[in-house]
Amino acid sequence: SQQGEEDPQALSIQEGENATMNCSYKTSINNLQWYRQNSGRGLVHLILIRSNEREKHSGRLRVTLDTSKKSSSLLITASRAADTASYFCATDTTGNQFYFGTGTSLTVIP
Amino acid sequence: AAGVIQSPRHLIKEKRETATLKCYPIPRHDTVYWYQQGPGQDPQFLISFYEKMQSDKGSIPDRFSAQQFSDYHSELNMSSLELGDSALYFCASSSPRPNTGELFFGEGSRLTVL
Repeated sequence: SQQGEEDPQALSIQEGENATMNCSYKTSINNLQWYRQNSGRGLVHLILIRSNEREKHSGRLRVTLDTSKKSSSLLITASRAADTASYFCATDTTGNQFYFGTGTSLTVIP
Repeated sequence: AAGVIQSPRHLIKEKRETATLKCYPIPRHDTVYWYQQGPGQDPQFLISFYEKMQSDKGSIPDRFSAQQFSDYHSELNMSSLELGDSALYFCASSSPRPNTGELFFGEGSRLTVL
C-alpha cells in the first residue's frame, strides 16, 4: 500500500452484528476518509473525518481518528447483507493526492 | 445527478500496444485523479490535475502520461503495455476548494493486456 494497512483483511459476520475495521497510516494528514467498493465497481465515499476531529457519526457509521497513533477505525452497527463490500480508508496529505489503505473485505451473512 | 464518466469501460490490448483512457469529471469539478487497482489490491494513486495543470504524481510509470484539457476532461495514455498493466483504472474528481474533500469515482476502465 502507498499509505498504510487495514485490518482485518477479511471479516465475516452475521447480519445484525457490528463490524469494526481499522486503518493505520504513515504520514501527517489533513483528513481521513472511508470508502466502500463493491466488487469491480467504483469507490463510494462514506465519511470524512478531519485531523482535528476525534469521532464522527453518519447513520450506522462511526469513525474515530487517533492522530497520535496514526490510526482510524470504522464501525458499522447493525450490519446488513447489503453492507457486504470492501472498505478502504484514504488519507489526504496535500489536498491533491489521496492514498488508500489495503482494504478490509466485509462479508455479512444473512 | 451527473457522475464521473469513464470510457471505455473495457479494453483489451496486446503487449507493447498503446491505450488511452478518458475521464469526464462531474461538471464544475476542477480536480481529477487517476488510480490503478490490480486484482485484490488497493487503489494506487497515479497522478492528479488541478485546473488543467499536473498537481501531484504518485506511482505512475514513465510509460504512462496524462493531461487535463480545457473542458476539464482528462486522458491517461499508456504505451508499451505490459502484462502487469492489466488492472482497473479509476478516475475521480473533486469540487472546487473550499470543498468537502470527497472524491467522486467513476465506474472504472478495465484494461486487459494479453
